[in-house]
Amino acid sequence: QITLKESGPTLVKPTQTLTLTCTVSGFSLSTSGVGVGWIRQPPGKALEWLALIYWDDDKRYSPSLKSRLTITKDTSKNQVVLTMTNMDPADTATYYCAHGGGRYAYGNWGQGTLVTVSS
Amino acid sequence: DIQMTQSPSILSASVGDTVTITCRASQTISPWLAWYQHKPGKAPKLLIYKASNLQSGVPSRFSGSGSGTEFTLTISSLQPDDFATYYCQQYNTYSHSFGQGTKLEIK
Repeated sequence: QITLKESGPTLVKPTQTLTLTCTVSGFSLSTSGVGVGWIRQPPGKALEWLALIYWDDDKRYSPSLKSRLTITKDTSKNQVVLTMTNMDPADTATYYCAHGGGRYAYGNWGQGTLVTVSS
Repeated sequence: DIQMTQSPSILSASVGDTVTITCRASQTISPWLAWYQHKPGKAPKLLIYKASNLQSGVPSRFSGSGSGTEFTLTISSLQPDDFATYYCQQYNTYSHSFGQGTKLEIK
């Protein structure tokens, strides 16, 4: 059974850097074809795709946020980490990690974690 | 960057109705188009991948079609549990953009 769980701060201040961790189980981050992505949803708004990392360390980023995002993985810990710099109140959102990104889209998602940006 | 446009933004329907949601891409993405159902407080749920493939466990009243730049999600015989927001997503290119969503509400 594939599961993903997001963790990180619930509140960050403007200009700070956000670090979110996605801990996965039921699959290996080193298995060929595997990818883990990050998606967010600001309150009352649409889903927004942020970033994706594949088993071979291929990384993809949203063009509009690329300068602020870094995605990495630690296969030994079964974790994928997303960092976002220079946080702004507009970055307040529920952040999800999801398994997939390959030919089968994103079939398994974490429960999401709400991050609020406020001073 | 590929832009995804869904229509309508809001759809009112009754239990038992058949509804169709359209998603248009700013360039060819076929067949890398997915549909998700999203309910408040829950994680999005994958319904359809590769434009027309039903995800395991998803009821057969959900179907997807289309190619190139235009795709549709059809829900037949609407059930009470189907009232939610639906998103299309392209995963053809470097970045995997979503549509703006279609809220399916009870008439």
